[in-house]
Amino acid sequence: AQRVTQPEKLLSVFKGAPVELKCNYSYSGSPELFWYVQYSRQRLQLLLRHISRESIKGFTADLNKGETSFHLKKPFAQEEDSAMYYCALLYGGATNKLIFGTGTLLAVQP
Amino acid sequence: GAGVSQTPSNKVTEKGKYVELRCDPISGHTALYWYRQSLGQGPEFLIYFQGTGAADDSGLPNDRFFAVRPEGSVSTLKIQRTERGDSAVYLCASSRTGGAGEKLFFGSGTQLSVL
Repeated sequence: AQRVTQPEKLLSVFKGAPVELKCNYSYSGSPELFWYVQYSRQRLQLLLRHISRESIKGFTADLNKGETSFHLKKPFAQEEDSAMYYCALLYGGATNKLIFGTGTLLAVQP
Repeated sequence: GAGVSQTPSNKVTEKGKYVELRCDPISGHTALYWYRQSLGQGPEFLIYFQGTGAADDSGLPNDRFFAVRPEGSVSTLKIQRTERGDSAVYLCASSRTGGAGEKLFFGSGTQLSVL
């Protein structure tokens, strides 16, 4: 069955330190993965998707099919990166249906 | 224009009551989704509309949950005989066409509390 696992509920780092938010997935088909972010008092919004191979706000994520992972990385954390991050897997076939992980709260300390 | 709008932002009800939650998607978006987020969990898919029809309702937990979108715009999620376990944030999202992998635009959610 399809599943998304984010093993860390909380990740606390200092400003300027590297960040890696872990995401592992289980899916029998060809996976399409996303990172969504929710800043304090804001709506859940798309951060990036693996098919775009883009860098948003300095974040990147590479799909590793061998390790079934899609970790989110940033070389130098900023305080404004503090937020809840959700990894999500597209599992609806032709429909736009997502399964989300439980989320990781990133806290960047000054 | 405005983003996805959900009303009410908070709803407190008693066990056994009926509630309706409303979602107004971004104008022109044909696809509309309902998700439910329980405390400490990620959003969980409930139902997806393409236009007026429910294209996929596989996430609705039981027959107490029902949703409509009669004119292909505003949607209402209806919960009958509410239970304490229904307490959660109900999120609505829309996307332009519903194509696989398309960006979802989320509303602020309705916090439902069943006492």
